[in-house]
Amino acid sequence: EVQLVQSGAEVKKPGESLKISCKGSGYSFTNYWIGWVRQMPGKGLEWMGLIYPSDSDTRYSPSFQGQVTFSVDKSNSTAYLQWSSLKASDTAIYYCARQDHYFDYWGQGTLVTVSS
Amino acid sequence: EIVLTQSPVTLSLSPGERATLSCRASQSVSTFLAWYQQKPGQAPRLLIYGAHNRATGIPARFSGSGSGTDFTLTISSLEPEDFAYYYCQQRRNWPALSFGGGTKVEIE
Repeated sequence: EVQLVQSGAEVKKPGESLKISCKGSGYSFTNYWIGWVRQMPGKGLEWMGLIYPSDSDTRYSPSFQGQVTFSVDKSNSTAYLQWSSLKASDTAIYYCARQDHYFDYWGQGTLVTVSS
Repeated sequence: EIVLTQSPVTLSLSPGERATLSCRASQSVSTFLAWYQQKPGQAPRLLIYGAHNRATGIPARFSGSGSGTDFTLTISSLEPEDFAYYYCQQRRNWPALSFGGGTKVEIE
């Protein structure tokens, strides 16, 4: 069974750093792109970008380029999304999803709350 | 950037009624379009891909149509569990993907 399991909710202060995770199982992790999607409170889905676990080829949405960093640990079938300096406007649910042409499997989401 | 515009923003219907949701692209996406369903507190779920193909396990009451710039998701007879948010997504300009703003299907 294909599963993507994300790390738990986080509460951070502005300016702090954060790295959240997305662990894949039940399929060949290195053979599918992983996408990241943001959903701000009460809002729709925003595509942030993609990473290919096999070679860490990364593609960012222009809206998120320079704001976040994607990475992977192939040995642990885990993808990561990180911020070096969080802002209040980063408060959202972040989803990872496997891309097989389209996003066919999704993680459960990680709620990130940034508040002073 | 390809912009997807969904309409209506909210659709108020009763169980058993037919729902028709629209997604319009700012330029042609051929049939590189998907539909997702999202219920409160849950991750999105893939319903339709390639504009008209149902994903695994999706009931036959869900159907997708269209090509180019105009697409439709139809739910032939609404079940109580179908009241949710629906999003379209294009991959014509991969890796530059985009989602529509969403349509809420609510109980009238």
